[in-house]
Order: sequence, then structure tokens, then C-alpha cells
Amino acid sequence: DTAVSQTPKYLVTQMGNDKSIKCEQNLGHDTMYWYKQDSKKFLKIMFSYNNKELIINETVPNRFSPKSPDKAHLNLHINSLELGDSAVYFCASSQEGGRMFFGSGTQLSVL
Amino acid sequence: GNSVTQMEGPVTLSEEAFLTINCTYTATGYPSLFWYVQYPGEGLQLLLKATKADDKGSNKGFEATYRKETTSFHLEKGSVQVSDSAVYFCARYNQGGKLIFGQGTELSVKP
Repeated sequence: DTAVSQTPKYLVTQMGNDKSIKCEQNLGHDTMYWYKQDSKKFLKIMFSYNNKELIINETVPNRFSPKSPDKAHLNLHINSLELGDSAVYFCASSQEGGRMFFGSGTQLSVL
Repeated sequence: GNSVTQMEGPVTLSEEAFLTINCTYTATGYPSLFWYVQYPGEGLQLLLKATKADDKGSNKGFEATYRKETTSFHLEKGSVQVSDSAVYFCARYNQGGKLIFGQGTELSVKP
């Protein structure tokens, strides 16, 4: 009964490939997020959806496309992967301001 | 703008030592303030929070007081344990749904 689950946990792929990361939350929250964590542990918000609607879209290359089929799911699709995309990607959800629940992360390695 | 600044790590302490991790925020509006903790290989989880000036958040022996006059929210613990080794993130939340994290401070506690 994991609250926020994301798959896969590890993703190793070649430059130029297209990949997706899936996220699901069973908390009934309205808002979901994608964060990117670099090798120095710095966390940067990428996207936020509220009830399937995009509300935050930070300066992220348009190779990254989030998709929310329903409010319990927020998937991240990445086209034409580059070396600099290597990072840990975290999905999160929240209901009230600031109290966020995070998934365990997807470590993406682009070779 | 809205930002959060934490002391740089890594911080290395012996077991039972006193811990302080400094955090300051930019004084725009009246944000809620948080400390999140990330244990190795996991996602972030909420440690404690404070929603207004002079509030004190506490959990698992950790404390932080929302100080409006110094725009600070320093994290303290009287006696750290090896199991406290993790990365600690200070964060602020404004209306608009964006949680802004500091750069993270790695804590390593030696037996």
C-alpha cells in the first residue's frame, strides 16, 4: 500500500532513445509533481498538475512531456534522451500546501 | 524572488553530538516552512513544519523555530544518532502551489 509509487526504479538507456517513467498515487490527492534531482542533490521542480490540468511548467526542454490520464497518475515521457538528462526523477503528490509525499525515485542513466 | 539557502555540507558529527543546520529564506509574503529528510536511496519525507512566525515544528527529536525577524528556520537536534545520517532539505511554500527547496545539507553521523 505504497502512497506514491513510480516505475521503473532504475533506467539505463542510450542517448537518443525515448523513455517513460510512470507515477501513481493512492492518497486521493489533487496535485502531482515531477522533480529532478542532480548529482549534487539539488532538487528542481519540473511540472505540476492539479486534477489533470497543468499548473506549473518550469523551464524544461520540450523533449519532456508530462501526461496525466487521471488525477491519480502523472507520467513523464522523455524524447531524444541526452547525457545531461541523467539524474534521479521524483514524483510527488500533495493535497494541502507544502505537505508533499514523494515516490522513491527513478535513477535515469543516459549512456 | 522566493528562495531558500542552507548551510553547505557535508556535515560530519559523532554520535550524541549537537546538530544545527542553518536555513534562511527570502522574506516574500508569509510562507510556510518545512524540513524534509532524504535517507539513502529513498524519496524525501516530511520531518517537520511551521506555518507562521514563532511556530516551532518538532519531530523525532528535531526542532526548528520560524523566526520572522531573522528570516530563519534552523534545524536542531540535541543528540544525533547514526540513523540520522541523511540529506536534509529546508523548503518554503507559497500560495500558488510551489514548494521551493534549499540545496540540501548532507549529514553523516559516525559511531
